[in-house]
Amino acid sequence: KQEVTQIPAALSVPEGENLVLNCSFTDSAIYNLQWFRQDPGKGLTSLLLIQSSQREQTSGRLNASLDKSSGRSTLYIAASQPGDSATYLCAVRFFGAARQLTFGSGTQLTVLP
Amino acid sequence: ETGVTQTPRHLVMGMTNKKSLKCEQHLGHNAMYWYKQSAKKPLELMFVYSLEERVENNSVPSRFSPECPNSSHLFLHLHTLQPEDSALYLCASSPSGRSTDTQYFGPGTRLTVL
Repeated sequence: KQEVTQIPAALSVPEGENLVLNCSFTDSAIYNLQWFRQDPGKGLTSLLLIQSSQREQTSGRLNASLDKSSGRSTLYIAASQPGDSATYLCAVRFFGAARQLTFGSGTQLTVLP
Repeated sequence: ETGVTQTPRHLVMGMTNKKSLKCEQHLGHNAMYWYKQSAKKPLELMFVYSLEERVENNSVPSRFSPECPNSSHLFLHLHTLQPEDSALYLCASSPSGRSTDTQYFGPGTRLTVL
């Protein structure tokens, strides 16, 4: 079964810290992997999309890496700010389900001022 | 108005009611999606429409009935729902439905079934 797992489920850090969020997936045959941010009561905002041929993508203070062979991705957030507090979701598009994003349960991040 | 919009934002309904959720995208996309987000569960894909044709139905009960009258609008018609159907229903769109596309999400409708 194709599944996506995110650990930890919740994370609390002081402002200014660099942090890493983890995502693992059960099948290395993927088209791409996408990281989203979800604020309470709101929809999802796409942060980074990594195609299967890529190893990493960067946007501002965010850097996402992809290691297909080990079934892992990480989202690195540099110099965290209270405004980064949100739930971060990892989603994978597996072969055989090209139109479907399979989501992890998310990591709820709190950055303390 | 830009992006993906959803109405209503909140809905409370009884098990015997009939209601509809509406999604509209202003991005010129050709594919639209309905997702369900239940408490403590990952987002689940419900339906996919590409060029107004339903191309995926992820074993969703018939009490949920989607409709896509054109590429900008997507509806989810609800009837005789169960309390376990209470969830956040998210709509998304993408340029073409291809595997390389980014999906853009609306703010969701918070549904409570009494």
